[in-house]
This record gives sequence, structure tokens and C-alpha cells, in this order.
Amino acid sequence: AQSVTQPDIHITVSEGASLELRCNYSYGATPYLFWYVQSPGQGLQLLLKYFSGDTLVQGIKGFEAEFKRSQSSFNLRKPSVHWSDAAEYFCAVELPGNTGKLIFGQGTTLQVKP
Amino acid sequence: NAGVTQTPKFQVLKTGQSMTLQCAQDMNHEYMSWYRQDPGMGLRLIHYSVGAGITDQGEVPNGYNVSRSTTEDFPLRLLSAAPSQTSVYFCASSYSLAGGNEQFFGPGTRLTVL
Repeated sequence: AQSVTQPDIHITVSEGASLELRCNYSYGATPYLFWYVQSPGQGLQLLLKYFSGDTLVQGIKGFEAEFKRSQSSFNLRKPSVHWSDAAEYFCAVELPGNTGKLIFGQGTTLQVKP
Repeated sequence: NAGVTQTPKFQVLKTGQSMTLQCAQDMNHEYMSWYRQDPGMGLRLIHYSVGAGITDQGEVPNGYNVSRSTTEDFPLRLLSAAPSQTSVYFCASSYSLAGGNEQFFGPGTRLTVL
């Protein structure tokens, strides 16, 4: 079945530590890939996106993500986490030909310890 | 620009009541959509529109109606509210029908159905 999976529901890291959030998708073709962040009580904000080309993409707030076709993954990373990064993070895909229809993973809640 | 606005922010309904969630965008975006967010399930597409007068169903359309008479507005109607419709609802818009575009999200409406 077609799906987007974020294996980690909750992650806790210490401030200043590195972060990696995992995302795997299950589709025949390579979709468009997105990471969104949602702060408590807020809407979603786009962190970064991948369409084609360089498999390492840079986003806002110091985030980056790497697309690995062989693993059907699009993991989000940040070298040094700040307390303000505490939020819920969503991986999403859009299938070519299904314009605008985002399919979201379940989300990962990030807690940052001081 | 106000971006994507949603009203109300909070709403409590009794089973069987009807109501309309309002969504408006001032960015002249062609594409608009409604998602619902439930714990552990990410966001799921309810209905979407690729332009004024054109709407279509998403993943979970049952119990909801939409119409789009103008580019700016995309209201979501609950015909007869059920407890299963307790959720947070997000409206989103995108400036182009081409794939892979950022969707801009509103702040959400938290709906409780008793």
C-alpha cells in the first residue's frame, strides 16, 4: 500500500545536539518530498522540499534533508538543535500527476532538553 | 498580506448540528484544500479545489461539503456533525497547479462534537 512513514513518534534531544528525523515512503515513482513543521497551536510551515537534482537540500532554520532513492527515504537533519526547534515535524509527499494532494506521515514530536 | 485565514478558531457542536468553517486567502492562489489533523494520523485531505467552480474529493470526504464561488474563499460545511468529526481542520492554498509547490496553511480550527 502507498504510504508515508515516520517511524519515531517522539524524539527528545538535548539543546546543541544533532538531530535526525526519519521519513520513508512507499510509492512506485519518486514523489515530490516535503518537510513541514508545526509549532503548538499553529499551522504548518514549510521547512524544505525536494523535486529533483541534488539529493541534499537546504531549508530554513538550519535544516537540511537528504533524499536516498535506494532507501525510499527523505530524512531531516540539523547539526545543532535549539530550544525553539521543539515542535511537531511532518514529512509529506505529492505524487506526480496528483497536483496538490499531499500525503502526510504521522508526525514526529521533538522535545528539546535544556 | 494576511495569508490564509480561518474562522472560527474554536467551535463546539452537538451531534447533528451543521456548521461552516470559513477559509480565505489573499494571495490569488488557484489551489485550495482542506485537511483534518488527528493524533497519530498526520493530516488527511478532505476536499480540494483547483479553481473557482471546481472542487473534488480527497481521502476522507464523507460528511463534508465544499464549494468555491470565488478564488479567495473555500468554505467547508459539516452537514450533520458527528463525534468522529472532532478534529483540527486546516485550510491550505498554493499558487500554482504545477506539482511540487509549497502549500500555505491557515492557523486551524479546533472542532469538538459532543
